[in-house]
Amino acid sequence: AQTVTQSQPEMSVQEAETVTLSCTYDTSENNYYLFWYKQPPSRQMILVIRQEAYKQQNATENRFSVNFQKAAKSFSLKISDSQLGDTAMYFCAFIDSGAGSYQLTFGKGTKLSVIP
Amino acid sequence: DGGITQSPKYLFRKEGQNVTLSCEQNLNHDAMYWYRQDPGQGLRLIYYSQIVNDFQKGDIAEGYSVSREKKESFPLTVTSAQKNPTAFYLCASNRGYLVAEAFFGQGTRLTVV
Repeated sequence: AQTVTQSQPEMSVQEAETVTLSCTYDTSENNYYLFWYKQPPSRQMILVIRQEAYKQQNATENRFSVNFQKAAKSFSLKISDSQLGDTAMYFCAFIDSGAGSYQLTFGKGTKLSVIP
Repeated sequence: DGGITQSPKYLFRKEGQNVTLSCEQNLNHDAMYWYRQDPGQGLRLIYYSQIVNDFQKGDIAEGYSVSREKKESFPLTVTSAQKNPTAFYLCASNRGYLVAEAFFGQGTRLTVV
């Protein structure tokens, strides 16, 4: 079965500093996509960034970037210049084509607090 | 505007009652999903459907039922067999193939009273 592990239940960072959230996953498939979702206090899930497994180049979206290590099955999220609005739960997720179904699997999340 | 709508936002259920949570999307997405969110548990998949009139159980399907009679709609029924139904429920949809990101509704908070 596919699994996603986020080993940091809670983290905090000073405003304007950089923080890295960890994620590891397990799959026997070679073709898959990885995502980071943000869930602010409103509880609306928002896509932060996406990475295709076949691409070696790490994805970047403004202040958000990933470190994708395929062999290690690691997918960490780096947030630069942290802002108060980044305070949220962050979920790592992936989707693959195992068993012919495109099932989205989530980790348990990391609660990030940005401190003024 | 296209999107995915869940209703109601808050729902209260008495012990022994069935309740149905609504999920509608106008994104023309093929696949739809129901997740349950509990503190410290992340999102756990209840059911998903990749095509009309077809759906599969997720990791925690016991005590739940779904239907997919229309592409736009994927209602979830929480039955009396679900022993601990108090939770936050999220519905999502995507185009159903590998690259597609999932779009989420705003969720329904179900409380048993």
